Amino acid sequence: QSALTQPASVSGSPGQSITISCTGTSSDVGGYNYVSWFQQHPGKAPKLMIYAVNSRPSGVSSRFSGSKSGNTASLTISGLQAEDEADYYCGSYTSGSTLEVFGGGTKLTVL
Amino acid sequence: EVQLVESGGGLVQPGGSLRLSCADSGFTFSTYWMSWVRQAPGRGLEWVANIKEDGSEKHYVDSVKGRFTISRDNAKNSLYLQMNSLRADDTAVYYCVREIAWVAFDFWGRGTMVTVS
Repeated sequence: QSALTQPASVSGSPGQSITISCTGTSSDVGGYNYVSWFQQHPGKAPKLMIYAVNSRPSGVSSRFSGSKSGNTASLTISGLQAEDEADYYCGSYTSGSTLEVFGGGTKLTVL
Repeated sequence: EVQLVESGGGLVQPGGSLRLSCADSGFTFSTYWMSWVRQAPGRGLEWVANIKEDGSEKHYVDSVKGRFTISRDNAKNSLYLQMNSLRADDTAVYYCVREIAWVAFDFWGRGTMVTVS
């Protein structure tokens, strides 16, 4: 069981916007502004899409944005494209004995 | 160009040991925290361990404490993971990753597969 809770799957049509949630506790997501999001295509290494809740690394499309409210962080992808179809993982710093934790992952399907 | 290249994976019996290596180039290795992250077949990501720039601080996920040791050689731009007392649930692809802030893993290697069976 993952420390952070994500929906198993989400879907959307090209051009639409979708949001993936990542729910934790006040000891991780809610307590620190260290939340990241990763995209992983089949057979590939993950790619950092968002860090520090809402910062985008150089080269990541502005269609990807992050936010946080309380113990829940969110990744929003606007103007869905076919190449966005992938697994998405959230990650957070935690005050527990394990310093860094991930969510279980969300499979995004572009219809 | 940043490159992280893992090696050392393979098939090992339960209770055995393996040492993973990660050769890094294209950036000033000695100025970054580094981590190992693993992914069991068909499963999600799990952070395993990280190490401070100068090696003076190390952290581990509870399930590997006392069995795994992370280390680095800044002169060789290399990261290591010594894995002892391996168990079946350690079976995974192990990724070497650069860390720019807590849980901000900005560059990943291609991974090396460890199978404990």
